[in-house]
Amino acid sequence: DAGITQSPRYKITETGRQVTLMCHQTWSHSYMFWYRQDLGHGLRLIYYSAAADITDKGEVPDGYVVSRSKTENFPLTLESATRSQTSVYFCASSVQGARNTEAFFGQGTRLTVV
Amino acid sequence: AQSVTQPDIHITVSEGASLELRCNYSYGATPYLFWYVQSPGQGLQLLLKYFSGDTLVQGIKGFEAEFKRSQSSFNLRKPSVHWSDAAEYFCAVATSGGSNYKLTFGKGTLLTVNP
Repeated sequence: DAGITQSPRYKITETGRQVTLMCHQTWSHSYMFWYRQDLGHGLRLIYYSAAADITDKGEVPDGYVVSRSKTENFPLTLESATRSQTSVYFCASSVQGARNTEAFFGQGTRLTVV
Repeated sequence: AQSVTQPDIHITVSEGASLELRCNYSYGATPYLFWYVQSPGQGLQLLLKYFSGDTLVQGIKGFEAEFKRSQSSFNLRKPSVHWSDAAEYFCAVATSGGSNYKLTFGKGTLLTVNP
């Protein structure tokens, strides 16, 4: 199906483990984003990517790694998960970097670190 | 740096009543503004957006928003709320284009609708 999909939808992992959240979009949008949503903080930008092989830090990048070898995929890796990374993670994409374009969001991944 | 403030964390209205959700932004250039809605367990869906022109913009589901530059505000309104409007609402501002494009969100307003 066309759109933006995240996997898994739910994940429980242990402290110290590496975990990767997947994001795939079928629109060939150049821009992709990762946000985390926490109560009282709204959505905060972790990383974003303007195109394949171009990534940049957002507001809260520490503890996360991203890559973008292909336009349609933008995985987010927690190298050594901590309890503070328990959150709902949203991936989004946008057709271009202009401000007059909206971002389209995935359904989210609820990650629990125990 | 840009920022978005949604002063109301939680609002409760009765079904059929009017609604106004407040949003104030801080951004040095002309703002590009958005309202998104998030239903429980779902992603974010765009309600409406403002780029330029008419300061009153219409969106989906009967929502509208008015841009007031003098007040740095972009408040969301609906004349008659339906029970299905219960959700969390986020205001956002887009920063400069090019490699620095990104959306900055407010912390959200949770809307409860009483029957």
